[in-house]
Formats: sequence, structure tokens, C-alpha cells
Amino acid sequence: TQLLEQSPQFLSIQEGENLTVYCNSSSVFSSLQWYRQEPGEGPVLLVTVVTGGEVKKLKRLTFQFGDARKDSSLHITAAQPGDTGLYLCAGRSYNTDKLIFGTGTRLQVFP
Amino acid sequence: NAGVMQNPRHLVRRRGQEARLRCSPMKGHSHVYWYRQLPEEGLKFMVYLQKENIIDESGMPKERFSAEFPKEGPSILRIQQVVRGDSAAYFCASSPRTGEHNEQFFGPGTRLTVL
Repeated sequence: TQLLEQSPQFLSIQEGENLTVYCNSSSVFSSLQWYRQEPGEGPVLLVTVVTGGEVKKLKRLTFQFGDARKDSSLHITAAQPGDTGLYLCAGRSYNTDKLIFGTGTRLQVFP
Repeated sequence: NAGVMQNPRHLVRRRGQEARLRCSPMKGHSHVYWYRQLPEEGLKFMVYLQKENIIDESGMPKERFSAEFPKEGPSILRIQQVVRGDSAAYFCASSPRTGEHNEQFFGPGTRLTVL
């Protein structure tokens, strides 16, 4: 069974701090997606990384796909209260189109 | 450009009743996925459909659950004889293509409560 472990599970920080969320697996993925989910809503796609070692930036968010395509990280610079939410990584294996979701990281940013 | 639509947003059923959850994919998307999110857990894949075909149902419980995506109309996830353990948020996602650039866009979900 493929698993994606996220850490930390919970994170409470002050506005302006930096943070990194990790997504790790023993399995290789053909691509990996990051989502943010707010209470009562569906996950919203933030980014897709496809190439090992790939780095993508989305304003204050930086996403990296590990060289071996088994792990990924999300770094947020100068966090803001609007960044609060549940962050989910999701990997897609070769020869399948279903997504394997990570365990989630619940981020709370206080003003 | 409307996103993925799901209805109802909230559904309450008594044990033994049937639940029907509907999903309309984004315009131009022909691939539909259903996921279930239990309280305090991550999303778990249930089934992947294309128009009139079930492609992968490896995450679907063997009994009481069925899914369809007809040529016309929304995709339907049907749960017969619901039990309390079926209470969860059910999310539908759609994508325009398969392959490594298969980006899935999610609807707002249907929250099923079984009394």
C-alpha cells in the first residue's frame, strides 16, 4: 500500500514567520500535486510538479519535488493569516490516474 | 467557466436508506474521480470513470456502493442501505486528460450524515 506521510501534522505560527511542510513516501510517483483545503470546502489545486528536482514558485510559496520523485516540500515565506488551511500533497503513480493523498498538515497563522 | 459542481452539499439519511450524490465535471473534462474523506482523515480514492465506462474501482467497497457516468448528465455515486460508517465528505474531481499532467480539480463535496 502506498503511503504519503506529511509533517508536521499541525503547525501554529505568527504572521511573518517562514515554514516548511514535508511530504514523504517510499514509493516513486510520476507527478505530485499540492492542494489547500478550507473547512467545508473541497481541495483547491496549488501546483503540480512532474520532474525530479523540479522547483516551482507561486508568490510566497515554493514547491520542490525530490530528485528521486519520492518526496516533496512546500515552503511558505512570510506567512499570512490567509494561508491558514489544510495542506495536502497527492501523488500519482505510474500507470494509474488515481491520486494517493498525504495525511495533511493543518496550518494556523495568527495575526 | 464553472468549476466542478456537486449536489447536494449536505445530505442526511437514516440507516437503510439510499444516498445519491451527483457530480458535474468542469466543461471539457471527460474524466471523473470520486474520493471519500472520513472525519479527521485524508482523502481516499474510490472510483475513476470516463463517459459510460468505469476505469478503476479499486477503492470502492464491494457491496452497496456503485458509480456511473452516463453519456448525458452528471456522474452519480450511489450508496444503498447506508450505515453510520458511511458518514463522510464525498468529493468529486474532474480532469481533461490522463497521464502525468493529469491535474484533478475538486468540487465542494457532499457531506453525508447517516442517523
